[in-house]
Amino acid sequence: SAVISQKPSRDICQRGTSLTIQCQVDSQVTMMFWYRQQPGQSLTLIATANQGSEATYESGFVIDKFPISRPNLTFSTLTVSNMSPEDSSIYLCSASTGGDTQYFGPGTRLTVL
Amino acid sequence: DAKTTQPPSMDCAEGRAANLPCNHSTISGNEYVYWYRQIHSQGPQYIIHGLKNNETNEMASLIITEDRKSSTLILPHATLRDTAVYYCIVRSANRGVQGAQKLVFGQGTRLTINP
Repeated sequence: SAVISQKPSRDICQRGTSLTIQCQVDSQVTMMFWYRQQPGQSLTLIATANQGSEATYESGFVIDKFPISRPNLTFSTLTVSNMSPEDSSIYLCSASTGGDTQYFGPGTRLTVL
Repeated sequence: DAKTTQPPSMDCAEGRAANLPCNHSTISGNEYVYWYRQIHSQGPQYIIHGLKNNETNEMASLIITEDRKSSTLILPHATLRDTAVYYCIVRSANRGVQGAQKLVFGQGTRLTINP
């Protein structure tokens, strides 16, 4: 299994600003993923973060809004850019160790005023 | 879109077995059935997964029908801490296919364990 931590755990931000969320895994992993969970909703995949290449974004999500970095096999960041109240969500990262199972971090609760 | 159908909510008495059904009638031969749960305000927790055979671990048992079109997650002795949203997810077993490892979450089943 993998233990995943995220920073910050929560934040309150002003409209128009950007926030970078960090995701740290306690072991090297092949694939990392970023999800969004809007209030009262299920999880939606934003993108797959690949080490050494650009992230792969799902339909409806673009790099300019959600730039992602994956500098090594244990770390990734997601930036939520030019935020609006509609970006208020829980953002979750997950990781796959190369086996068949994804493990999730605790999430970052973002509120945009 | 999610490939699974689950009841939106279920109740179970504490100490009883909780049986959560999932329909995945369009599942293909190389797709796993995964179960996760999400306790309020936490990240999803992996429970169990299977391909064809029934599986059991320290958390739960997974029963997959012979035609693989449905499955049941069994929590043998439910406790109050098992109250959560349970997600049944179908995912490709082919790691070499682009995007095969991503998980598509449906709305899940909100399981409430009552004292």
